[in-house]
Formats: sequence, structure tokens, C-alpha cells
Amino acid sequence: EVQLVESGGGLVQPGGSLRLSCAASGFTFSSYEMNWVRQAPGKGLEWVSYISSSGSTIYYADSVKGRFTISRDNAKNSLYLQMNSLRAEDTAVYYCAREAVGVGAISTDAFDIWGQGTMVTVSS
Amino acid sequence: SYVLTQPPSVSVAPGKTARITCGGNNIGSKSVHWYQQKPGQAPVLVIYYDSDRPSGIPERFSGSNSGNTATLTISRVEAGDEADYYCQVWDSSSENWVFGGGTKLTVL
Repeated sequence: EVQLVESGGGLVQPGGSLRLSCAASGFTFSSYEMNWVRQAPGKGLEWVSYISSSGSTIYYADSVKGRFTISRDNAKNSLYLQMNSLRAEDTAVYYCAREAVGVGAISTDAFDIWGQGTMVTVSS
Repeated sequence: SYVLTQPPSVSVAPGKTARITCGGNNIGSKSVHWYQQKPGQAPVLVIYYDSDRPSGIPERFSGSNSGNTATLTISRVEAGDEADYYCQVWDSSSENWVFGGGTKLTVL
């Protein structure tokens, strides 16, 4: 079964750090581009960060640039999000999401597999 | 940065057709993807590349995209279709993925 499982969420004080992990199974992780998407309580979806299949290309939303770092370990089938200098507005459920591939193994830019999410609460 | 605008809510009676719009500047030149999210669950991709359906998504779900508006159409709406729906595009100018604000579909 194709699956993504996030972990590492929790309660952290403003200014603190947290590292999220996403364990992939059921597919060839190293062949897929990956993303983090978050959703604040009662709010919509917000894209956070992207990493290419090799890790050579990375993008961030302006709201997290300079504070968050995305990485991956293809040998461990895992995706990570290191979050530093956390703020109250970073409070959200964080999802990892796989980019679907189409004809010729070209990424479609659509996210076809999502994890169940991990909650991050930034509060004193 | 690129902005996608969705109506906050759409209501439809069972068996009727629901249309959810997603507005953006010249969105017809971009590929639009749509997600369904039910309470407490992760989003599910229902339409990609404007009008393609992933395997397992009913034919009742269809999409179109032209000019400044993309539309998700749900035919013969069922109670189980009640959910939040989000549109998404890749904005190459900002190198960002952009989501619309979401539309809550209520089945009357």
C-alpha cells in the first residue's frame, strides 16, 4: 500500500524548533518529488516547501523562507522539515504530499498521495 | 504573487449539479488541480491537469479551465460529496504552489 506517515509534531514555545519526519512506503520514494503543506485550525491549505527527487532543487513559501529547511534521505525513504524560530502563526497540521507523475514520468505538479498530518502547536 | 479566488460556499440539492469556480489572472494558461477534503481527513486529489480524473474518482467529477476561471463540476451530487474543495496551480513566476481559499460544498 502506498503510504506517507508524518511524525514529530507537538507543542513548542515561540522561538523554538521542531523537526518533522515523513516516512514513505509502497512506492519508489527516490523517484518522486515531495512537498510539505500545512493547514491552520479552521483555515485552508497553504503550501510550505518542495524538494525534487534528488534533493537538488528546493523551494519555500515566503512565510517560512529562512526559518524552515526541507530535506530528504532516499536511502531511508524519508522526508524532513526542520522548523526553527517558530511563531504562533506556524500552528497548523503539517502534511507531506507526493507529486503525481504522468506520461514519461514527468511530474504533474498535482499532489496524489498525502499523509494523515501531524499537528504543530506554537504557544507559550 | 498569484492569487486564486474561490467562493466560500456552494449549496446544492442531492441529484443536482454543483459547480465550484476558481478565479485567477489568465488561469486558463495554467494547469489546475482540485482536491476534496472531508472533516478530519487529508485532502484527496479529484481532478488534475484541468480535467483528468485519478483512478478511483467517479466520473461525476469533471473540470474545465478557460480564460480567468477554472470550474469543478460535480454531477448527480450525493450526500457523501459534502466537503471542502480546493483548487491549486503552480506559479512559475514565484516558484510556488498556490491554493485557493477553499469552497465548502453543502448538500441540502
